[in-house]
Amino acid sequence: DVKVTQSSRYLVKRTGEKVFLECVQDMDHENMFWYRQDPGLGLRLIYFSYDVKMKEKGDIPEGYSVSREKKERFSLILESASTNQTSMYLCASSFAGAIYNEQFFGPGTRLTVL
Amino acid sequence: EDQVTQSPEALRLQEGESSSLNCSYTVSGLRGLFWYRQDPGKGPEFLFTLYSAGEEKEKERLKATLTKKESFLHITAPKPEDSATYLCAVREIQGGSEKLVFGKGMKLTVNP
Repeated sequence: DVKVTQSSRYLVKRTGEKVFLECVQDMDHENMFWYRQDPGLGLRLIYFSYDVKMKEKGDIPEGYSVSREKKERFSLILESASTNQTSMYLCASSFAGAIYNEQFFGPGTRLTVL
Repeated sequence: EDQVTQSPEALRLQEGESSSLNCSYTVSGLRGLFWYRQDPGKGPEFLFTLYSAGEEKEKERLKATLTKKESFLHITAPKPEDSATYLCAVREIQGGSEKLVFGKGMKLTVNP
Protein backbone atom coordinates (compact mmCIF):
# COMPACT_ATOMS: atom_id res chain seq x y z
CA ASP A 1 0.00 0.00 0.00
CA VAL A 2 1.58 3.24 -1.15
CA LYS A 3 1.98 5.90 1.44
CA VAL A 4 2.80 9.49 2.15
CA THR A 5 3.37 10.09 5.84
CA GLN A 6 3.73 13.32 7.76
CA SER A 7 5.60 13.61 11.02
CA SER A 8 2.79 15.07 13.11
CA ARG A 9 -0.99 15.17 12.88
CA TYR A 10 -1.29 18.08 15.28
CA LEU A 11 1.27 20.67 16.27
CA VAL A 12 1.07 23.72 18.56
CA LYS A 13 3.85 26.29 18.42
CA ARG A 14 4.48 29.78 19.70
CA THR A 15 4.99 32.88 17.60
CA GLY A 16 8.63 33.22 16.55
CA GLU A 17 9.49 29.55 16.91
CA LYS A 18 11.19 27.69 14.09
CA VAL A 19 8.94 24.86 12.92
CA PHE A 20 9.84 21.76 10.90
CA LEU A 21 7.24 19.68 9.11
CA GLU A 22 8.48 16.40 7.69
CA CYS A 23 7.04 14.35 4.86
CA VAL A 24 8.15 10.91 3.68
CA GLN A 25 6.89 8.93 0.68
CA ASP A 26 7.61 5.30 -0.11
CA MET A 27 6.65 5.31 -3.80
CA ASP A 28 10.00 6.45 -5.24
CA HIS A 29 8.27 9.55 -6.63
CA GLU A 30 10.36 12.32 -8.13
CA ASN A 31 7.93 15.15 -7.39
CA MET A 32 6.93 16.31 -3.92
CA PHE A 33 4.74 19.20 -2.85
CA TRP A 34 3.74 21.23 0.17
CA TYR A 35 0.28 22.81 0.29
CA ARG A 36 -1.69 24.65 2.91
CA GLN A 37 -5.45 24.34 3.15
CA ASP A 38 -7.61 27.02 4.70
CA PRO A 39 -11.42 27.24 4.87
CA GLY A 40 -12.79 29.25 1.98
CA LEU A 41 -9.43 29.37 0.20
CA GLY A 42 -8.88 25.81 -0.92
CA LEU A 43 -5.49 24.22 -1.45
CA ARG A 44 -2.61 26.57 -2.17
CA LEU A 45 0.85 25.48 -3.24
CA ILE A 46 3.74 26.64 -1.07
CA TYR A 47 6.72 24.87 -2.67
CA PHE A 48 7.41 21.85 -4.79
CA SER A 49 10.46 19.79 -5.64
CA TYR A 50 11.05 17.76 -8.81
CA ASP A 51 14.31 16.18 -7.72
CA VAL A 52 16.70 15.92 -4.79
CA LYS A 53 18.00 19.36 -3.84
CA MET A 54 15.77 21.01 -6.43
CA LYS A 55 12.89 23.26 -5.43
CA GLU A 56 10.50 25.72 -6.98
CA LYS A 57 8.32 28.35 -5.35
CA GLY A 58 4.61 27.89 -5.48
CA ASP A 59 1.92 30.52 -5.07
CA ILE A 60 2.56 31.44 -1.43
CA PRO A 61 6.23 30.80 -0.52
CA GLU A 62 6.68 33.83 1.75
CA GLY A 63 7.63 32.84 5.29
CA TYR A 64 8.49 29.28 4.30
CA SER A 65 11.51 27.35 3.09
CA VAL A 66 11.98 23.72 2.09
CA SER A 67 14.65 21.07 2.06
CA ARG A 68 14.99 17.90 0.01
CA GLU A 69 18.18 16.06 0.81
CA LYS A 70 16.84 12.59 -0.01
CA LYS A 71 14.37 11.51 -2.67
CA GLU A 72 11.81 10.19 -0.21
CA ARG A 73 11.85 13.12 2.22
CA PHE A 74 10.63 16.70 1.81
CA SER A 75 10.69 19.14 4.71
CA LEU A 76 8.81 22.39 5.16
CA ILE A 77 10.38 24.97 7.45
CA LEU A 78 8.70 27.95 9.04
CA GLU A 79 11.67 30.14 9.95
CA SER A 80 9.73 32.25 12.46
CA ALA A 81 6.18 31.07 12.94
CA SER A 82 3.40 33.62 12.92
CA THR A 83 -0.27 33.32 13.81
CA ASN A 84 -1.30 33.69 10.16
CA GLN A 85 0.51 30.43 9.45
CA THR A 86 -2.03 28.53 11.51
CA SER A 87 -3.40 26.11 8.95
CA MET A 88 -3.65 22.53 7.71
CA TYR A 89 -0.46 21.56 5.88
CA LEU A 90 -0.60 18.81 3.29
CA CYS A 91 2.29 17.04 1.64
CA ALA A 92 1.87 15.25 -1.70
CA SER A 93 3.98 13.33 -4.19
CA SER A 94 3.67 12.30 -7.84
CA PHE A 95 5.53 10.38 -10.53
CA ALA A 96 8.01 12.04 -12.85
CA GLY A 97 6.87 13.47 -16.15
CA ALA A 98 4.31 16.21 -15.93
CA ILE A 99 4.74 17.84 -12.55
CA TYR A 100 1.03 17.75 -11.85
CA ASN A 101 0.12 14.17 -12.50
CA GLU A 102 -2.13 12.33 -10.10
CA GLN A 103 -0.92 13.31 -6.64
CA PHE A 104 -0.83 11.18 -3.52
CA PHE A 105 -1.46 13.14 -0.36
CA GLY A 106 -0.43 12.62 3.23
CA PRO A 107 -2.91 12.87 6.11
CA GLY A 108 -2.01 16.47 6.89
CA THR A 109 -0.56 18.36 9.85
CA ARG A 110 -2.82 20.79 11.63
CA LEU A 111 -0.54 23.54 12.89
CA THR A 112 -1.65 26.09 15.44
CA VAL A 113 0.59 29.08 16.14
CA LEU A 114 -0.22 30.90 19.36
CA GLU B 1 -11.79 36.26 -10.14
CA ASP B 2 -11.51 32.56 -9.35
CA GLN B 3 -10.17 30.42 -12.17
CA VAL B 4 -11.83 27.27 -10.83
CA THR B 5 -15.30 27.50 -9.32
CA GLN B 6 -17.13 24.62 -7.69
CA SER B 7 -20.84 24.66 -7.09
CA PRO B 8 -22.73 24.21 -4.96
CA GLU B 9 -20.44 24.82 -1.96
CA ALA B 10 -22.40 22.26 0.01
CA LEU B 11 -25.00 19.69 -0.90
CA ARG B 12 -27.16 17.51 1.27
CA LEU B 13 -28.78 14.45 -0.30
CA GLN B 14 -30.88 11.57 0.86
CA GLU B 15 -29.46 8.11 0.28
CA GLY B 16 -30.33 7.08 -3.26
CA GLU B 17 -30.97 10.64 -4.46
CA SER B 18 -28.76 11.18 -7.51
CA SER B 19 -27.21 14.58 -8.23
CA SER B 20 -24.31 16.36 -9.92
CA LEU B 21 -21.47 18.56 -8.73
CA ASN B 22 -20.15 21.25 -11.03
CA CYS B 23 -16.62 22.51 -11.61
CA SER B 24 -16.29 25.41 -14.04
CA TYR B 25 -12.96 26.84 -15.12
CA THR B 26 -11.67 29.85 -17.02
CA VAL B 27 -8.06 28.80 -17.64
CA SER B 28 -6.88 29.15 -21.23
CA GLY B 29 -4.47 26.27 -21.71
CA LEU B 30 -6.14 23.28 -20.06
CA ARG B 31 -3.85 20.29 -19.67
CA GLY B 32 -6.04 18.15 -17.48
CA LEU B 33 -8.80 18.33 -14.90
CA PHE B 34 -8.60 16.30 -11.70
CA TRP B 35 -11.20 15.25 -9.17
CA TYR B 36 -10.22 14.38 -5.61
CA ARG B 37 -12.21 13.22 -2.61
CA GLN B 38 -11.28 14.40 0.90
CA ASP B 39 -12.64 12.86 4.09
CA PRO B 40 -12.58 14.87 7.33
CA GLY B 41 -9.12 14.95 8.90
CA LYS B 42 -7.48 13.29 5.89
CA GLY B 43 -5.61 14.30 2.78
CA PRO B 44 -7.30 14.33 -0.62
CA GLU B 45 -7.56 11.05 -2.49
CA PHE B 46 -7.34 10.97 -6.27
CA LEU B 47 -10.47 9.98 -8.20
CA PHE B 48 -10.21 10.92 -11.88
CA THR B 49 -8.24 12.77 -14.53
CA LEU B 50 -9.95 14.12 -17.65
CA TYR B 51 -8.02 15.59 -20.55
CA SER B 52 -10.37 16.49 -23.38
CA ALA B 53 -13.94 17.62 -23.94
CA GLY B 54 -16.28 14.68 -24.23
CA GLU B 55 -14.19 12.42 -22.05
CA GLU B 56 -15.91 10.45 -19.30
CA LYS B 57 -14.57 8.34 -16.42
CA GLU B 58 -16.48 6.14 -13.99
CA LYS B 59 -15.80 4.62 -10.62
CA GLU B 60 -18.54 2.86 -8.68
CA ARG B 61 -21.33 5.42 -8.20
CA LEU B 62 -19.27 8.32 -9.56
CA LYS B 63 -19.01 9.49 -13.15
CA ALA B 64 -16.95 12.47 -14.24
CA THR B 65 -17.49 14.31 -17.52
CA LEU B 66 -15.70 17.21 -19.19
CA THR B 67 -16.75 19.98 -21.57
CA LYS B 68 -14.71 22.94 -22.80
CA LYS B 69 -15.74 25.06 -19.83
CA GLU B 70 -16.77 22.73 -17.04
CA SER B 71 -16.74 19.30 -15.52
CA PHE B 72 -19.50 17.44 -13.75
CA LEU B 73 -19.20 14.79 -11.10
CA HIS B 74 -22.39 12.76 -11.27
CA ILE B 75 -23.30 10.72 -8.21
CA THR B 76 -25.81 7.95 -8.85
CA ALA B 77 -27.79 6.54 -5.93
CA PRO B 78 -25.36 7.86 -3.33
CA LYS B 79 -24.73 6.14 -0.01
CA PRO B 80 -23.75 7.72 3.32
CA GLU B 81 -20.16 6.61 2.74
CA ASP B 82 -20.02 8.97 -0.26
CA SER B 83 -20.16 11.87 2.19
CA ALA B 84 -16.95 13.86 1.77
CA THR B 85 -15.57 17.06 0.31
CA TYR B 86 -14.96 16.80 -3.42
CA LEU B 87 -12.17 18.89 -4.90
CA CYS B 88 -11.66 19.85 -8.50
CA ALA B 89 -8.27 20.97 -9.84
CA VAL B 90 -7.21 22.22 -13.24
CA ARG B 91 -3.74 21.89 -14.73
CA GLU B 92 -2.88 24.68 -17.11
CA ILE B 93 0.09 25.98 -19.04
CA GLN B 94 0.77 29.64 -18.33
CA GLY B 95 3.70 31.45 -19.87
CA GLY B 96 5.49 28.19 -20.59
CA SER B 97 5.19 26.86 -17.06
CA GLU B 98 2.71 24.46 -15.58
CA LYS B 99 0.32 25.34 -12.82
CA LEU B 100 -2.32 23.45 -10.86
CA VAL B 101 -5.30 25.44 -9.61
CA PHE B 102 -7.69 23.95 -7.05
CA GLY B 103 -11.29 24.89 -6.50
CA LYS B 104 -12.50 25.52 -2.96
CA GLY B 105 -14.26 22.19 -2.72
CA MET B 106 -17.82 21.01 -2.36
CA LYS B 107 -19.00 19.32 0.83
CA LEU B 108 -21.42 16.47 0.16
CA THR B 109 -23.52 14.97 2.93
CA VAL B 110 -25.61 11.88 2.22
CA ASN B 111 -28.18 11.11 4.87
CA PRO B 112 -29.37 7.53 5.43
